[in-house]
Amino acid sequence: AQSVSQHNHHVILSEAASLELGCNYSYGGTVNLFWYVQYPGQHLQLLLKYFSGDPLVKGIKGFEAEFIKSKFSFNLRKPSVQWSDTAEYFCAVAPHTGGFKTIFGAGTRLFVKA
Amino acid sequence: NAGVTQTPKFQVLKTGQSMTLQCAQDMNHEYMSWYRQDPGMGLRLIHYSVGAGITDQGEVPNGYNVSRSTTEDFPLRLLSAAPSQTSVYFCASSYTTGGLAGANVLTFGAGSRLTVL
Repeated sequence: AQSVSQHNHHVILSEAASLELGCNYSYGGTVNLFWYVQYPGQHLQLLLKYFSGDPLVKGIKGFEAEFIKSKFSFNLRKPSVQWSDTAEYFCAVAPHTGGFKTIFGAGTRLFVKA
Repeated sequence: NAGVTQTPKFQVLKTGQSMTLQCAQDMNHEYMSWYRQDPGMGLRLIHYSVGAGITDQGEVPNGYNVSRSTTEDFPLRLLSAAPSQTSVYFCASSYTTGGLAGANVLTFGAGSRLTVL
């Protein structure tokens, strides 16, 4: 069965600090990986995704994530956060082929102090 | 293009009542799903569908029922509401590329906040 573990439930940073949110998954096959973000009062939306190819993927607003297959990890990074990055971040895993079920982690609430 | 539309946005029920959360999408997506979001637990998959007439259980299906009679609509029914079903419910959809295709990017609705007293 698929599962996702996000290491930090709450993170507080000052503006310009660097961000790394951990995500590990469990799945017995090739995966598609996603980071979604939920800004206050807004819909969940895609931040970035990995399906295949270069394991370092870039998303919107300067975010990037690295897929490390040997560690079953897909950590999210941003070199310098802004107050507007305050949001909840969700890692998700789904089958690469033969299925569509997408399983989410528990989420990480990020608060960026101005 | 409305995307994924959920109704109602807010609902209060008494224990034992039944109700249906509606979800409609206008993007001709084959895949539709329902999640519930609870503090500290992220989004948990309730039920999903890969096309009209095809549904399957997710991680937390008990107490919920779904059907998919059209591509556009995927209603979620609470058969006998319990306080443990107090949550925010999200409907999400995505297109598929057929065959052995895998999961794609989900488009989410705005959510339905349900309180069961």
